[in-house]
Formats: sequence, C-alpha cells, structure tokens
Amino acid sequence: ETVMTQSPATLSVSPGERATLSCRASQTVASSLAWYQQKPGQAPRLLIYGASTRATGIPARFSGSGSGTDFTLTISSLQSEDIAVYYCQQYQNWPLTFGGGTKVEIK
Amino acid sequence: QVQLVESGGGVVQPGRSLRLSCGATGFSFSAYSFVWVRQAPGKGLEWVAIISKDGSHKYYADSVKGRLTISRDNSRNTLYLQVNSLRVEDTAVYFCAREDRDGYEFFDYWGQGTLVTVSS
Repeated sequence: ETVMTQSPATLSVSPGERATLSCRASQTVASSLAWYQQKPGQAPRLLIYGASTRATGIPARFSGSGSGTDFTLTISSLQSEDIAVYYCQQYQNWPLTFGGGTKVEIK
Repeated sequence: QVQLVESGGGVVQPGRSLRLSCGATGFSFSAYSFVWVRQAPGKGLEWVAIISKDGSHKYYADSVKGRLTISRDNSRNTLYLQVNSLRVEDTAVYFCAREDRDGYEFFDYWGQGTLVTVSS
C-alpha cells in the first residue's frame, strides 16, 4: 500500500500570506496526485489533479507542484474561506490512498 | 447540474446489515465509474470500493473485503453499497463520488454523505 504522509498536521497562516502544504508518498506515484479541500460538515472538493492541474472553478491562488514522491499545495494568498482540511490522494497504485490531512487555520 | 445524493444511513446494531444508496442527476450516469469513500468521526478519508461504468469490475479495500458489496443500476441512475456484519469501526460518513471522465481515479463530484453509526 502507498502511504501518503501530509505535513504539517496544522498550519496557521495570516490572511493574505502564503500557505504551503506538503504530501509525501511512500513510493512513486508519478503525477497521479490529487488535492481536495474539506470544510466542516461538507464533502471534499477537488482542487488539483495530475499534481498541478486546477479543477474547474478553482481560484488561481491554489497551485500544485511535484512528481514522484514529493508534492506541494500552495495557497498564494490565504483567504478566510480557505479555512479547511486539505487532503492529498494518490491514484497511481492500488489501493487508492489518502493522506491524513492538513488543517489550515487563521493565525 | 451534477448532483449526488446519498441515503440509507442510520443507527444499526453490530452484526446487522445496511444498504446505502447514491442517486445521481445532471449527467450521464452510465458514462462514469464511481467510488464509496468513508470518513470516521474526526478522522481522514478512506477509499472502500470502486465500480466500473457497466458494473463488471469492482475492487475493494482490504479492510472491508468480504463484507461490502458495491453495485449500480444504470437504469435508475443509482449506486449502492451493501454493508454486512457491521462493526463498531464501520461507524463513519459514507460518501459516494464520481470518477474523472477520462477514467483516472480522482473524484470530481461528491455527495454530501450519509452517516452510519454502529452501536448496541
């Protein structure tokens, strides 16, 4: 099983500042990496797929990078509506696996 | 617009069974594969099952293999998850989600989830 490890567990960022979230895979997943945003009481929302492609309707302040085993989600200028838990998911290997999540909060 | 609506959750005793449903509207249901993903209270996301467009291929997480059955009825635009021999650790919100249109296993639309609580 491909274990996805996200760090940090919690990230405190001031409004307007950059937020950088990390996701590491225990074995290569090439570029088969997606990021989701989940707000309390809501379903996950697809942000990024293919490691760096924004999903439809996702603001440009969200960007993804990386390949192989190390990936990053960057929120260039944090907005209050970005407060959520962010999950990475690999779809290169079976079974499909998610990271444990990074909670982004306002400093 | 695309909508996925789960139903069938509730409080159930250990050892009992439950069938969850996910109704789809706003797109061609039979053109997509679907998954069930669950989330235990306060925990992360766990993929549990996937089914192909015509229902001929199904895969399960090892943690649920043998107790969960995913199925679909393309004539009714509905996805199902049969959960047997329920355990306390099956307590979770169960989400259905649609796979990417090109067949990559990431998920572009999700339902709101249905809560299953296993308790005596």
